[in-house]
Amino acid sequence: AQKVTQAQTEISVVEKEDVTLDCVYETRDTTYYLFWYKQPPSGELVFLIRRNSFDEQNEISGRYSWNFQKSTSSFNFTITASQVVDSAVYFCALSESGSARQLTFGSGTQLTVLP
Amino acid sequence: EPEVTQTPSHQVTQMGQEVILRCVPISNHLYFYWYRQILGQKVEFLVSFYNNEISEKSEIFDDQFSVERPDGSNFTLKIRSTKLEDSAMYFCASSEVGNGELFFGEGSRLTVL
Repeated sequence: AQKVTQAQTEISVVEKEDVTLDCVYETRDTTYYLFWYKQPPSGELVFLIRRNSFDEQNEISGRYSWNFQKSTSSFNFTITASQVVDSAVYFCALSESGSARQLTFGSGTQLTVLP
Repeated sequence: EPEVTQTPSHQVTQMGQEVILRCVPISNHLYFYWYRQILGQKVEFLVSFYNNEISEKSEIFDDQFSVERPDGSNFTLKIRSTKLEDSAMYFCASSEVGNGELFFGEGSRLTVL
């Protein structure tokens, strides 16, 4: 069975600090997808990234970067130079068998960026 | 930018009443989903729908729940007889293909009294 663990329940940082959100996953499949979603205070879920299990290249998108390490079953998310608008709950999610038919979400990390 | 829209944004109902939550997925998408999030908890999968039938469902999705795509644009979730524990935010999502990015709606908050 698939499982996603986000051990950090809440993180607070001061604006401009870098912050890393941890995600550890479990799956028996060799083909799977990993995702990060952002849930701002307004409540909607905003897609950030999808990664497949065969692509371990790190990815950078502006201030966001992702570190995928199969050896440790981790898919960590770093925000560089954090801003107050980054305050949100961030969810890591996993889908097995190359299909997004069923996403398993972690419990989320509440990030608060203080001015 | 195309988006998934959900109505109502908030519904309050009495225990035992039927509720229908509506979703309009993105028009060229073929896969449709319902997820729910009990307040302060993780987002949980309920059901996925493709080619006019349920493709997967979770153990949460029992006989009290049903989904329908009645007219080619709407995708509905019906809860036949609501319970207190059905109070949650319900998210609809759609994807163009079944292998990646799900687009979520803004959610419908259901409060069962």
